[in-house]
Amino acid sequence: LAKTTQPISMDSYEGQEVNITCSHNNIATNDYITWYQQFPSQGPRFIIQGYKTKVTNEVASLFIPADRKSSTLSLPRVSLSDTAVYYCLVGDEDSGGYQKVTFGTGTKLQVIP
Amino acid sequence: DAGITQSPRHKVTETGTPVTLRCHQTENHRYMYWYRQDPGHGLRLIHYSYGVKDTDKGEVSDGYSVSRSKTEDFLLTLESATSSQTSVYFCAISADTSYNEQFFGPGTRLTVL
Repeated sequence: LAKTTQPISMDSYEGQEVNITCSHNNIATNDYITWYQQFPSQGPRFIIQGYKTKVTNEVASLFIPADRKSSTLSLPRVSLSDTAVYYCLVGDEDSGGYQKVTFGTGTKLQVIP
Repeated sequence: DAGITQSPRHKVTETGTPVTLRCHQTENHRYMYWYRQDPGHGLRLIHYSYGVKDTDKGEVSDGYSVSRSKTEDFLLTLESATSSQTSVYFCAISADTSYNEQFFGPGTRLTVL
């Protein structure tokens, strides 16, 4: 099974850039890397997804090295509202070809004023 | 936001009673999922569906059953609730499994006394 490892928690001051790294040593050739954000008492929300190199959207950037065994979610100039749990996922294709995602425990980001 | 609702949003029940949670979507997405979320465990997949009447087990399926008789509804049943099933349950949907982009409902907080 594809598995991810990420730090349990991180603290950052407002206005700083935050980088959360996830390792996925057993990523398969066809797997995409996806990041979700979850606020307390809410369901997770899709942030960004990539396959290789760099992807950027209005919320974050995702950096993926050539070997794809890790990825880094970058949040520019965080604010207090970015305090949340961030999950890194890779695909997990079963025998039927269906992708079942495995969320893990995520990284709890605390933004400090 | 994706059109996903869950009912009930909160429920307290007693050990041994049957419980059914409902997930309803208005997006006509093919795939639907049930997760549970507990402190220290992140989100864990219970069951998922890849079409009407097509379902499969996730990593924590024991004690749970599901049914999907219509595209828009995915039911999760606890045949005989136990205290270990006290949790927050999230439903999710996706149009395609290949890209891991799932949209989550608001969650149901279930307490089994």
